[in-house]
Amino acid sequence: TQLLEQSPQFLSIQEGENLTVYCNSSSVFSSLQWYRQEPGEGPVLLVTVVTGGEVKKLKRLTFQFGDARKDSSLHITAAQPGDTGLYLCAGANRGSQGNLIFGKGTKLSVKP
Amino acid sequence: KAGVTQTPRYLIKTRGQQVTLSCSPISGHRSVSWYQQTPGQGLQFLFEYFSETQRNKGNFPGRFSGRQFSNSRSEMNVSTLELGDSALYLCASSDVDYGYTFGSGTRLTVV
Repeated sequence: TQLLEQSPQFLSIQEGENLTVYCNSSSVFSSLQWYRQEPGEGPVLLVTVVTGGEVKKLKRLTFQFGDARKDSSLHITAAQPGDTGLYLCAGANRGSQGNLIFGKGTKLSVKP
Repeated sequence: KAGVTQTPRYLIKTRGQQVTLSCSPISGHRSVSWYQQTPGQGLQFLFEYFSETQRNKGNFPGRFSGRQFSNSRSEMNVSTLELGDSALYLCASSDVDYGYTFGSGTRLTVV
């Protein structure tokens, strides 16, 4: 059974601070996706990383896929209150369409 | 274009009853997946349909079933509801292997 461990589980920081969220597995994935979910809503896709070692930037968010495609990280620079939410990583495998393996999530709170 | 639409948004059912949830994917998307989200277990995969065929299934009991229609709309059914079935049920649609668009979910409460 493939599992994705996310850390930390909770993160409460002040506006302007930097943070990193980690997503680790002992299994290899074809791709890794990051989602953000707000209360009462479905997850919204932020990015998909496919190649080992890949780095993608989305404004203040930087996503990295490990060389072995078993882990990923999300770094937020100068966090803002609007970044508050549940961040989820999800692994996908070819041949298992639709079957995303989700981590339990990191609940981020950014205080003004 | 319109996003993924799930109906109803909220539902309260009694133990032992059955429930049907509906999902309309983004126009042109042929793949629809269903997930259960609970505070303890997080998001867990239920099943995925593509062109009216179930391609993948998660580890849920047979009380959980689904289907997809020719217009790609999908329904999931839970029979003989248990208290533990209380959850947010999410559907996601996709037109490629990567990148899924989720609906806002149906919040099911079983009393």
